[in-house]
Amino acid sequence: DQQVKQNSPSLSVQEGRISILNCDYTNSMFDYFLWYKKYPAEGPTFLISISSIKDKNEDGRFTVFLNKSAKHLSLHIVPSQPGDSAVYFCAATLPGNNRKLIWGLGTSLAVNP
Amino acid sequence: DAGITQSPRHKVTETGTPVTLRCHQTENHRYMYWYRQDPGHGLRLIHYSYGVKDTDKGEVSDGYSVSRSKTEDFLLTLESATSSQTSVYFCAISAASGTGGGGPFQETQYFGPGTRLLVL
Repeated sequence: DQQVKQNSPSLSVQEGRISILNCDYTNSMFDYFLWYKKYPAEGPTFLISISSIKDKNEDGRFTVFLNKSAKHLSLHIVPSQPGDSAVYFCAATLPGNNRKLIWGLGTSLAVNP
Repeated sequence: DAGITQSPRHKVTETGTPVTLRCHQTENHRYMYWYRQDPGHGLRLIHYSYGVKDTDKGEVSDGYSVSRSKTEDFLLTLESATSSQTSVYFCAISAASGTGGGGPFQETQYFGPGTRLLVL
């Protein structure tokens, strides 16, 4: 059973506009949520995270919003750039779980010039 | 860059042969992980290690074994490779993210470049 769900396999946006990637989860015990970006033929790279005690975290063009009551988080990229085209994974951690990550299946973002 | 290398980067082998993939890190991290990535499945944890000689199974461990005889190296072995093990394999370490995620200090995982394995 998928505890972290990314229901949109793909997303296409125009350069300069906002990209919004969504993630839903089922386990209310998750204590951190993370976003990773992955280019083809490379390993995933950590992008941004948020603690479960927060509702927003911002880092440059990237902002993550957490809605605990809805068990939903989203990653906003503003403005989107062609170099942002990649697969984005949402992941979550449980306390005391040997720092294992529980992953979504990813959303492929295409930013068109 | 968390100083993670993987070898080999590409390998073609035949069904039934043993294969060992190596993950090497230079920063003395305690936790290390092996994942495989396949279309439609995202990243799936094979095995992980929480110290020298301390390892445990992940969600897709059948057909794989691991060893960690020293902190810097984490080996993944396919005892008898099958075509279903054709995949891209990633190693990761857990380290401080440095950002705090807007909350208390946390650790996160950093990945190596991957090994592309084809089993014929």
